[in-house]
Amino acid sequence: GAVVSQHPSRVICKSGTSVKIECRSLDFQATTMFWYRQFPKQSLMLMATSNEGSKATYEQGVEKDKFLINHASLTLSTLTVTSAHPEDSSFYICSARAPEDLAKNIQYFGAGTRLSVL
Amino acid sequence: SQQGEEDPQALSIQEGENATMNCSYKTSINNLQWYRQNSGRGLVHLILIRSNEREKHSGRLRVTLDTSKKSSSLLITASRAADTASYFCATGRTGTASKLTFGTGTRLQVTL
Repeated sequence: GAVVSQHPSRVICKSGTSVKIECRSLDFQATTMFWYRQFPKQSLMLMATSNEGSKATYEQGVEKDKFLINHASLTLSTLTVTSAHPEDSSFYICSARAPEDLAKNIQYFGAGTRLSVL
Repeated sequence: SQQGEEDPQALSIQEGENATMNCSYKTSINNLQWYRQNSGRGLVHLILIRSNEREKHSGRLRVTLDTSKKSSSLLITASRAADTASYFCATGRTGTASKLTFGTGTRLQVTL
């Protein structure tokens, strides 16, 4: 099956620092990747849609300068949380979709990154 | 909000029993999917049902879809302790194939 690797799984950082999270599709090419944020015991909220080679599309209310997304290759997308603050602490999950799954819109998820900002 | 609602929010059953969780959504859809999430982990795709289908089976999973009521149900038969997880429905809206909108989720606890 399609495997998506997300790294790191957990990060603790000081307020004001930037944190980069990587999302890799290991055995397929992902033309589209998605970044979600999940608060405890809540659902996933889509932050942005990332298409390889083009700028990410951010959801309403998500600051693009705060959450920088780069999708430089068909197997890698990165999310950088810039100048992180305690309110950015959350569980961030990426997903990837292969071209053949576009019609069904099946997404394959990474294991998530737990960000804690002190 | 376009987010769907799921009920119950939490469900606790004993191993061997069946678990039923429901999902309601708000817009026209292309299909509806169910995903499972183990605590602190990513989501795993379980099953997809198209908007023109009414019922679908996969192993111990049975999904129904009623587009007139904008609702779906997921039935897990003969539950196991390993089924303990959160279950989310996800819908893709007609005309916006890119996005999935996730429901609020049902936390299932299966005890021995």
